[in-house]
Amino acid sequence: QKEVEQNSGPLSVPEGAIASLNCTYSDRVSQSFFWYRQYSGKSPELIMSIYSNGDKEDGRFTAQLNKASQYVSLLIRDSQPSDSATYLCAVNMNSGGYQKVTFGTGTKLQVIP
Amino acid sequence: KAGVTQTPRYLIKTRGQQVTLSCSPISGHRSVSWYQQTPGQGLQFLFEYFSETQRNKGNFPGRFSGRQFSNSRSEMNVSTLELGDSALYLCASTWGGETEAFFGQGTRLTVV
Repeated sequence: QKEVEQNSGPLSVPEGAIASLNCTYSDRVSQSFFWYRQYSGKSPELIMSIYSNGDKEDGRFTAQLNKASQYVSLLIRDSQPSDSATYLCAVNMNSGGYQKVTFGTGTKLQVIP
Repeated sequence: KAGVTQTPRYLIKTRGQQVTLSCSPISGHRSVSWYQQTPGQGLQFLFEYFSETQRNKGNFPGRFSGRQFSNSRSEMNVSTLELGDSALYLCASTWGGETEAFFGQGTRLTVV
């Protein structure tokens, strides 16, 4: 089982719709969860952090965390063509006795005008 | 507050040569991680340095090495370059390795 798993996509949604991006992780004691957006040829940019079960909203973005199910998701409301990018899920995990942020392989989102 | 700075932004090297890339983390951050990203691929973890010590290492050959200085700046070195080493190399800094990671702009390496 991969440490952080995401569907590679592409996920295609029409403009104005809700895009739902999902991520599962293997380490049940993980405490910190992050979503990054990466445009083609650019570096990843942090867009959301979530630490507690439930929802966290920031503008059009909502991160949802369910530690019991080891599941974290990102909802993008009113999707815009400018949201077309790869979204990386990252989870804080124990690695070699230290905490390290581990990335999923990303989900490519395409917002169709 | 300055972000993560990577130099150079672009490099073209010939097979067999070696290359050194540099990363200056956000002030106060002590952990620097390096990643390789090839077209269409996810982030492949190379290694992480914390307080001048390598804490974690990915599954890359020994041609890939790194170090961190007392001011937290980090360098990675690739020796005997191969065509397959052409990639975007990213570094990310965090305060202690477990908090939000912030990325530099990356160094795009082309091996010809």
